[in-house]
Amino acid sequence: AQSVAQPEDQVKVAEGNPLTVKCTYSVSGNPYLFWYVQYPNRGLQFLLKYITGDNLVKGSYGFEAEFNKSQTSFHLKKPSALVSDSALYFCAVRDIWGKLIFGQGTELSVKP
Amino acid sequence: EPEVTQTPSHQVTQMGQEVILRCVPISNHLYFYWYRQILGQKVEFLVSFYNNEISEKSEIFDDQFSVERPDGSNFTLKIRSTKLEDSAMYFCASSEGGTANEKLLFGSGTQLSVL
Repeated sequence: AQSVAQPEDQVKVAEGNPLTVKCTYSVSGNPYLFWYVQYPNRGLQFLLKYITGDNLVKGSYGFEAEFNKSQTSFHLKKPSALVSDSALYFCAVRDIWGKLIFGQGTELSVKP
Repeated sequence: EPEVTQTPSHQVTQMGQEVILRCVPISNHLYFYWYRQILGQKVEFLVSFYNNEISEKSEIFDDQFSVERPDGSNFTLKIRSTKLEDSAMYFCASSEGGTANEKLLFGSGTQLSVL
């Protein structure tokens, strides 16, 4: 069965510092991986996806994610964090039937 | 970018009552989904819908739940007799295609509170 795991419930960084939100996956076949962000009292917003090709995927709001097949990871990164990046981040895998399977979510807190 | 819209944003109901959550997917999308998120927990898949029928449903989606696309634009989730444990944020999502490489776009959710 397809699954993703986010090992950290919370990540705290200072504004201007790089940030990483971790995700590992377990899939049979090719992985189709996604990152979504949820701001307080809002829906899930698509950030980026990995389908095939370059291992470094660029997305919205300056975020990028690195696909690593040998480590079965798809970590979300940003070179310089903003206070406004504070939100809940979800890694997800889409299975062959079309549905998204989400990780537990990681709360990112960026302090000034 | 086009948006998925959901109404109402908040719904309070008494246990045992029926509720209908409404969604307007993006107009050219063909695949529709409902997810829910209980406070502090992960986002859980409920049901997927394509070509006017359910494609897949989770264990959560029991006989108390039903979905419908009554016209060309709306997509609804009905809970026949609500329970306390149905209290959650319910998200509607849609995608243009059903292949694994396409993104789902989500609405802002309906917060359901069952008293």
